[in-house]
Amino acid sequence: AQSVAQPEDQVNVAEGNPLTVKCTYSVSGNPYLFWYVQYPNRGLQFLLKYITGDNLVKGSYGFEAEFNKSQTSFHLKKPSALVSDSALYFCAVIWDNYGQNFVFGPGTRLSVLP
Amino acid sequence: KAGVTQTPRYLIKTRGQQVTLSCSPISGHRSVSWYQQTPGQGLQFLFEYFSETQRNKGNFPGRFSGRQFSNSRSEMNVSTLELGDSALYLCASSLSTGGLSGELFFGEGSRLTVL
Repeated sequence: AQSVAQPEDQVNVAEGNPLTVKCTYSVSGNPYLFWYVQYPNRGLQFLLKYITGDNLVKGSYGFEAEFNKSQTSFHLKKPSALVSDSALYFCAVIWDNYGQNFVFGPGTRLSVLP
Repeated sequence: KAGVTQTPRYLIKTRGQQVTLSCSPISGHRSVSWYQQTPGQGLQFLFEYFSETQRNKGNFPGRFSGRQFSNSRSEMNVSTLELGDSALYLCASSLSTGGLSGELFFGEGSRLTVL
């Protein structure tokens, strides 16, 4: 079965420091990759996506992510973290040969400390 | 334009009861997907509807059902509620079926507590 992994349950980073939230996915067909963020008691908000083209994609709120096909990864990054970035982050993948519904990773809780 | 609207936002039921949740997608969006979010299982796909037809279904028992109306609004129903059905139920809309049309737009969810 297709799967998405986010190896870290929790990521802590100091405000102003760079942050990385990791995502890897199982190999099958061509993946389309997404990052979503969830604030407490809210739905998910779209951050960015990779469909094709440049491996580095830029999204909302200064976030970016790099698609690495050889490592089957799509890590989320931000050069300088803000306290307001503290939230739950989900990686999601859809494969062009698998049912056309999203598979979400388990989520990573990001805490940015002032 | 208005986002995805889910009602009710919070509800409490007892075991054995049934519940109906409603989702109004973004205007012009024809696809509606439902997800169950729990601390232990994360986000799990329930089903997707497009043009009043169920296009995909996740691995949930038959107690979970849904439908979509001609105006793209969707409802999901859970019958014979169990304690384990306590969760945040999220609805997401998109322009077209599946994710290849782009990102999903999520509502704020309906939090169901089963006592």
